[in-house]
Amino acid sequence: DAGITQSPRHKVTETGTPVTLRCHQTENHRYMYWYRQDPGHGLRLIHYSYGVKDTDKGEVSDGYSVSRSKTEDFLLTLESATSSQTSVYFCAISESTSGPTYEQYFGPGTRLTVT
Amino acid sequence: GEDVEQSLFLSVREGDSSVINCTYTDSSSTYLYWYKQEPGAGLQLLTYIFSNMDMKQDQRLTVLLNKKDKHLSLRIADTQTGDSAIYFCAEGSTSGTYKYIFGTGTRLKVLA
Repeated sequence: DAGITQSPRHKVTETGTPVTLRCHQTENHRYMYWYRQDPGHGLRLIHYSYGVKDTDKGEVSDGYSVSRSKTEDFLLTLESATSSQTSVYFCAISESTSGPTYEQYFGPGTRLTVT
Repeated sequence: GEDVEQSLFLSVREGDSSVINCTYTDSSSTYLYWYKQEPGAGLQLLTYIFSNMDMKQDQRLTVLLNKKDKHLSLRIADTQTGDSAIYFCAEGSTSGTYKYIFGTGTRLKVLA
């Protein structure tokens, strides 16, 4: 299994509070991604990173920010959590040398509930 | 815009074949993938097909690609209860960012 961990694994927070989710990898992969998974929507890309300090928006980036100060860590921050951000969040990593498949390897997920 | 669509549910009996369908819109996709998600876990790559191929077989799995109709299917032969999971198709491009567009996912339930 690819060395990807996410923390916390579960979190309950109140509307309006800031929340930071962490993704940590031990594979030294260049690309990192944050997705959210919601019923009927599949996985939607929030933000991604193509190197240290290099990030870009995905299709559902409003209300989220990211930072990547080290290769191994990719942080997702909800500045002021809303109930619509209740979801399961997945981190993924990839490398241009992941064979011909450009396979993405996924973390175990973080279940976030905003009350 | 880019969109990948799948039916949400599929139920089959153990030992039967399962066929999961997917339609995509981005004709520039280089690779098309099938990922499997078991309960409470992240996604794992099941198989993939290059966009210049029509079919790929991998043990019990057969992937068919119809580029004209932008239709992708995954056939699982001799479906087992351990195949119960959510299956996602995804399209990807090697344009530099290695981003995927995932489908909505199909929940496969295998009945004993």
